[in-house]
Amino acid sequence: DQQVKQNSPSLSVQEGRISILNCDYTNSMFDYFLWYKKYPAEGPTFLISISSIKDKNEDGRFTVFLNKSAKHLSLHIVPSQPGDSAVYFCAASAKDSNYQLIWGAGTKLIIKP
Amino acid sequence: DSGVTQTPKHLITATGQRVTLRCSPRSGDLSVYWYQQSLDQGLQFLIQYYNGEERAKGNILERFSAQQFPDLHSELNLSSLELGDSALYFCASSAWGQVKNTGELFFGEGSRLTVL
Repeated sequence: DQQVKQNSPSLSVQEGRISILNCDYTNSMFDYFLWYKKYPAEGPTFLISISSIKDKNEDGRFTVFLNKSAKHLSLHIVPSQPGDSAVYFCAASAKDSNYQLIWGAGTKLIIKP
Repeated sequence: DSGVTQTPKHLITATGQRVTLRCSPRSGDLSVYWYQQSLDQGLQFLIQYYNGEERAKGNILERFSAQQFPDLHSELNLSSLELGDSALYFCASSAWGQVKNTGELFFGEGSRLTVL
């Protein structure tokens, strides 16, 4: 039972345009969502997070939107840059599960020149 | 630099052998996690330790074991290795269990294991 789903294994976007990565979840008890970025042969690095009490969090070129009624969150990257090419993981946690992270399978983002 | 240190970075061994991967968590973190990433696969959670005790178990094979020592470093032992065990093994640490916890994991650079 996948509680966190990233249905797009890969996404290709033109440099300078907006990249939108999507994540769906099934557990309404999740109260914290995180996005991680991973380059090949490196460990994932934290990118941005959002609490379930918010619907938007912005950090520079990165914005995460949360739609609790749809159990959906998205990561927007504007403008997309070549260095954004990486695998992006969505993860979620719940207080009643002691904040254990549940991971999506990842989406490989390719920024085309 | 996440503050999490993993050794070795690369390891090549033969089937049937046993290896030990080592992880030093970020300063102040009591919780350590082990993840496996096979070729083009997502992150598979293996096991979590908190202050020396096993806290959560994921898809960890019986041939694999881990422990966390009093100084909080952790080791992942992989035995009777098979070709399919070739993967990147990541260690992460967090402030889980502590007041300052935000849920964020800090990952090491990984240990690449190749089983021939």
